[in-house]
Amino acid sequence: QKEVEQNSGPLSVPEGAIASLNCTYSDRGSQSFFWYRQYSGKSPELIMFIYSNGDKEDGRFTAQLNKASQYVSLLIRDSQPSDSATYLCAVNPRNTDKLIFGTGTRLQVFP
Amino acid sequence: NAGVTQTPKFQVLKTGQSMTLQCAQDMNHNSMYWYRQDPGMGLRLIYYSASEGTTDKGEVPNGYNVSRLNKREFSLRLESAAPSQTSVYFCASSEWGYTFGSGTRLTVV
Repeated sequence: QKEVEQNSGPLSVPEGAIASLNCTYSDRGSQSFFWYRQYSGKSPELIMFIYSNGDKEDGRFTAQLNKASQYVSLLIRDSQPSDSATYLCAVNPRNTDKLIFGTGTRLQVFP
Repeated sequence: NAGVTQTPKFQVLKTGQSMTLQCAQDMNHNSMYWYRQDPGMGLRLIYYSASEGTTDKGEVPNGYNVSRLNKREFSLRLESAAPSQTSVYFCASSEWGYTFGSGTRLTVV
């Protein structure tokens, strides 16, 4: 079992819809969770982080964390073509400052 | 506000050649990392440094060496490049959450 798992996609949604990206992790003691966006040929950039159960909202983005079920998700409301990118889930295991990355989900938003 | 600076951006090596990838950060972060990114494999940690003077192996350290020259700089060396090391390399630094450099696209022929 991979430590951090994501569906590779592509996830295709129409402009204006909600895109839902999911991630599961294996280390139950993981403490912090991050979502990065990576455009083709570019480096990953941090868009959201969460460390408490529940929802965290930032503009059009909402991160959701359920530690009991070991999943974290990212919702993008009012999706735009500029949101088309690969979204990487990253998990901070216990007792370390390293991040373990999933392989990413490619999102395509079509007009 | 440079953040994390990596050089070079592109490099082509012949099998057996050596090279050093440079990374510097100006955010006064203690922790620095080297990752490689391959299609379908995601980002995999090569080496990391939790503080100046310390380095530790990550998931895929074979064929690489690192030097934490000072708090700002963390270099990655390929002593004898192999085609399997063709990849995109990212340096990152963090206090909490990573800031990535722009990457080095390396091809070994």
